[in-house]
Amino acid sequence: GQQVMQIPQYQHVQEGEDFTTYCNSSTTLSNIQWYKQRPGGHPVFLIQLVKSGEVKKQKRLTFQFGEAKKNSSLHITATQTTDVGTYFCAGLGGTYKYIFGTGTRLKVLA
Amino acid sequence: EPEVTQTPSHQVTQMGQEVILRCVPISNHLYFYWYRQILGQKVEFLVSFYNNEISEKSEIFDDQFSVERPDGSNFTLKIRSTKLEDSAMYFCASRAGTANTGELFFGEGSRLTVL
Repeated sequence: GQQVMQIPQYQHVQEGEDFTTYCNSSTTLSNIQWYKQRPGGHPVFLIQLVKSGEVKKQKRLTFQFGEAKKNSSLHITATQTTDVGTYFCAGLGGTYKYIFGTGTRLKVLA
Repeated sequence: EPEVTQTPSHQVTQMGQEVILRCVPISNHLYFYWYRQILGQKVEFLVSFYNNEISEKSEIFDDQFSVERPDGSNFTLKIRSTKLEDSAMYFCASRAGTANTGELFFGEGSRLTVL
């Protein structure tokens, strides 16, 4: 079945450092979404990418969708303690089913 | 702001017992989902539901699981005979939009503990 992997699994950074998580799918995706889950919370939608090679920015967050529509990345510039949480990509496999990646847990040290 | 609500927030049950988890999706949404997350692990797809029927399900969603939308608002997940490995956080989600786009709105989850 379709698999969506993320690396790294964990990342500890000093506040102010940059952070990147990478997402790779075993199959081509129609679109990809990114979610953030705070500790003890539920996933919250961040963004959706649809087009091959698409790049979108939200303040300090930059999202990219690969040319082959099989990979994606999320880059955070100058992390803050509020960025703490687990970041998941979710790829649309089939018509209805969003498959979540394995997640990258970010810890920001003040 | 509209939100997805789930009850109960935490349920403890004995192995072999039936459990029903309830969800009220956002009112104008058309696509409904159940996901589960074992502590510290990834968010696993269980089932999607559209137009009053299951549209897709995972290998996890076997005969012990069923979903229902008995009225216009509730969306339930039933586990007929719980096993220890069913212990997890269960998230309900709903989505508006067309078939292949649109964000998932998640509820706060129902934590199931099977003893």
